[in-house]
Amino acid sequence: SAVISQKPSRDICQRGTSLTIQCQVDSQVTMMFWYRQQPGQSLTLIATANQGSEATYESGFVIDKFPISRPNLTFSTLTVSNMSPEDSSIYLCSVGYGGRVGQFFGPGTRLTVL
Amino acid sequence: SQQGEEDPQALSIQEGENATMNCSYKTSINNLQWYRQNSGRGLVHLILIRSNEREKHSGRLRVTLDTSKKSSSLLITASRAADTASYFCATDGGNTGKLIFGQGTTLQVKP
Repeated sequence: SAVISQKPSRDICQRGTSLTIQCQVDSQVTMMFWYRQQPGQSLTLIATANQGSEATYESGFVIDKFPISRPNLTFSTLTVSNMSPEDSSIYLCSVGYGGRVGQFFGPGTRLTVL
Repeated sequence: SQQGEEDPQALSIQEGENATMNCSYKTSINNLQWYRQNSGRGLVHLILIRSNEREKHSGRLRVTLDTSKKSSSLLITASRAADTASYFCATDGGNTGKLIFGQGTTLQVKP
């Protein structure tokens, strides 16, 4: 199992600004992911955060909008750049251990863009 | 993109009753997982069933998987008010670990 923390837990931001979300895990993990959950919707995978290399983005998500860092095996950041109200969502990080057990999710960051 | 659909989208039952949620998916899978989310918080993993398994139990939870129909069901027996939450199925299609989530079922258990 893993204990995952995210900072901030919530924020209200102005249009055009950027916000960096931090994800800290209490142990080293190989697989780390970032998801977005728009209001009333399910989760959509944004990208896989790769340690030591560029993140792998899913269709519809680009590095310029959602730059991701993964400096080590316990930490990652997701930046939401040049925000618009459409970016208002819950952003969650998760860690995986392969196909034998499920993923562990952070508590999420609730972002509101005005 | 979403893997598939869950039904019902919303379910309201009385405490003590059973709740059944269904999930369909589109592509081949390694495993299928069920998660619970309380009030927009982080997700909690409930159970994982591999593609070569047909049924799995964990406490009051029973999950079935029919790969020929590309569907799964989650049964919660003897429901409690604390089971009120949103439930999501998610499929893991390969060794990347990436999950594709269903639309979710919102369950309300009335005391």
